[in-house]
Amino acid sequence: EDKVVQSPLSLVVHEGDTVTLNCSYEVTNFRSLLWYKQEKKAPTFLFMLTSSGIEKKSGRLSSILDKKELFSILNITATQTGDSAVYLCAVPIYNQGGKLIFGQGTELSVKP
Amino acid sequence: DTAVSQTPKYLVTQMGNDKSIKCEQNLGHDTMYWYKQDSKKFLKIMFSYNNKELIINETVPNRFSPKSPDKAHLNLHINSLELGDSAVYFCASSPTGGHSYEQYFGPGTRLTVT
Repeated sequence: EDKVVQSPLSLVVHEGDTVTLNCSYEVTNFRSLLWYKQEKKAPTFLFMLTSSGIEKKSGRLSSILDKKELFSILNITATQTGDSAVYLCAVPIYNQGGKLIFGQGTELSVKP
Repeated sequence: DTAVSQTPKYLVTQMGNDKSIKCEQNLGHDTMYWYKQDSKKFLKIMFSYNNKELIINETVPNRFSPKSPDKAHLNLHINSLELGDSAVYFCASSPTGGHSYEQYFGPGTRLTVT
């Protein structure tokens, strides 16, 4: 069965800290992995990773995929209170209409 | 301009009632989805439509019936609502073809069944 597992499930840090969120997967026909940020409402897209070892970066956020070890990490440097959210990792199932299999999410709380 | 919109945003109703949630996307995408997010924030696929054709039905009870009048709209009708149906329902859309599976989500409909 296709599975996506995130850790930790929750994390509390202080502003300025650096955090690393983990996502491991067991999926047949793997093609890509996506990261989303969910605040109060809809998940918003952060990154899509398809190639192993190539870092995607956007400001203080970066992510990398390891297709050999079947995991991805999301790094956030110099965290701010606005980074507080649930971070979701998802893998699309290529031969099943692109449906996303989500992990449980990591709830990040950044304290001032 | 809202890319994926849903109505209503909140829905409070009693057990046994029938209700509908509507979704519209103006992105020109061919594929639309319904996801359910439970109280533990776990997001799970329910249905997917591609160009008005049902392509995913994830062992959802028959009380849930999606309908796609055209590729920009995907509605969800729920019969005989139960307490366990309380959740946030998200609509999403994505382009088909290629290797792009980025999905754009609507704001969600919080359904509370009392």
